[in-house]
Amino acid sequence: QVQLQESGPGLVKPSQTLSLTCTVSGDSINSGDFYWSWIRQPAGKGLECIGRVYSNGNTNYNPSHKSRITMSLDTSKNQFSLRVKSVIAADTAVYYCAGTQVGSEAFDIWGQGTMVTV
Amino acid sequence: QSVLAQPPSASGTPGQRVTISCSGSSSNIGSTNVNWYQQLPGMAPKLLIYRNNQRPSGVPDRFSGSKSGTSASLAISGLQSDDEANYYCAAWDDSLNGPVFGGGTKVTVL
Repeated sequence: QVQLQESGPGLVKPSQTLSLTCTVSGDSINSGDFYWSWIRQPAGKGLECIGRVYSNGNTNYNPSHKSRITMSLDTSKNQFSLRVKSVIAADTAVYYCAGTQVGSEAFDIWGQGTMVTV
Repeated sequence: QSVLAQPPSASGTPGQRVTISCSGSSSNIGSTNVNWYQQLPGMAPKLLIYRNNQRPSGVPDRFSGSKSGTSASLAISGLQSDDEANYYCAAWDDSLNGPVFGGGTKVTVL
């Protein structure tokens, strides 16, 4: 059973870079079985997909955030990561990592989420 | 403002049937499958319905989904107190080249 766990600092200062990591267990991150996404949710608000990274390292970002975000894989640690530069208060949210099985169009598995305050 | 439109709230008494709508356009719901997520209070979202009307293993058959044209709906029959949650629809959007969500519907069991 594949499981995801987010980690990272809970507090980031404005204009700095937010860095989060999602550790994957139960499958190899580059097996090709899944692609990996980051989704965020401001307090009391809805969900927004920030972008995704594929098992080959290719990425696809939400156009609204494309200029500020970077996603990557670390196969040695079986992790994928999110970096958001020049953060502002509006980046304050719970950040979830999620996995989509290849062939599926849904976010099949989710991490528990991590709260980030700017 | 979300790309997919959902009513902000819905409610029913135990045992009743509740339906949640999700309205989109030809670039999302009209051309792809719809997925639904359930988010219990304080928890991460969980996949509830995929490909319009399919239930993942473990999801009760009280939950059902449908799609017609550029709209979709989620029905909860035999409403239970444990169903109190926020429900989100989602679909791929060809214009944005990425997944989009509805704003969420909070279901309250009266």
